[in-house]
Amino acid sequence: GAGVSQSPRYKVTKRGQDVALRCDPISGHVSLYWYRQALGQGPEFLTYFNYEAQQDKSGLPNDRFSAERPEGSISTLTIQRTEQRDSAMYRCASSLSPFGTGRNTEAFFGQGTRLTVV
Amino acid sequence: AQTVTQSQPEMSVQEAETVTLSCTYDTSESDYYLFWYKQPPSRQMILVIRQEAYKQQNATENRFSVNFQKAAKSFSLKISDSQLGDAAMYFCAGTLYGNKLVFGAGTILRVKS
Repeated sequence: GAGVSQSPRYKVTKRGQDVALRCDPISGHVSLYWYRQALGQGPEFLTYFNYEAQQDKSGLPNDRFSAERPEGSISTLTIQRTEQRDSAMYRCASSLSPFGTGRNTEAFFGQGTRLTVV
Repeated sequence: AQTVTQSQPEMSVQEAETVTLSCTYDTSESDYYLFWYKQPPSRQMILVIRQEAYKQQNATENRFSVNFQKAAKSFSLKISDSQLGDAAMYFCAGTLYGNKLVFGAGTILRVKS
């Protein structure tokens, strides 16, 4: 696609429900990143993939959070048993190549999914 | 720890004047990338400028330039001839630990007409 696409744009869910957030990166982009951003703060790293391999999941807050990218393209971030503290903007970004392998590497961000847990 | 620190929560600048936003970072890597991103009220994330650590020359993009001091681990953004459209939150970010891109807390820039 022309840009990184995330869906849904807005999600309101009840506490205790599971949610799945989708990211469709720019076609051909190798690396895909997930971030969480609270209002007025910087994006907080959650996890990233090169192709289908999850390279680093050190930012996932706890075992209720998981992510996958089974075919090296679309990725899903799943939050199980949601809690109010999970409310935030969840952002996805993709880059053509992993950082450090290409001079013009940059991360392109999607519009984000605003998650509200009530 | 690999961290990015933006010590100025908020800055103001008069239209047409110059403003500098500060950023310091910590890393044990010798090669890495540094970025400034702009986030307007729409909450998009827009890349402003990029610097590769192995390059001595400071990056420049039109009215935006950086002062990269590798030894001091400092990466400031200078905006010249400030415009009303420059008003936004600005984030400093870097690939300070492998391929993990980490962000600072941000600086709100207000532009006065």
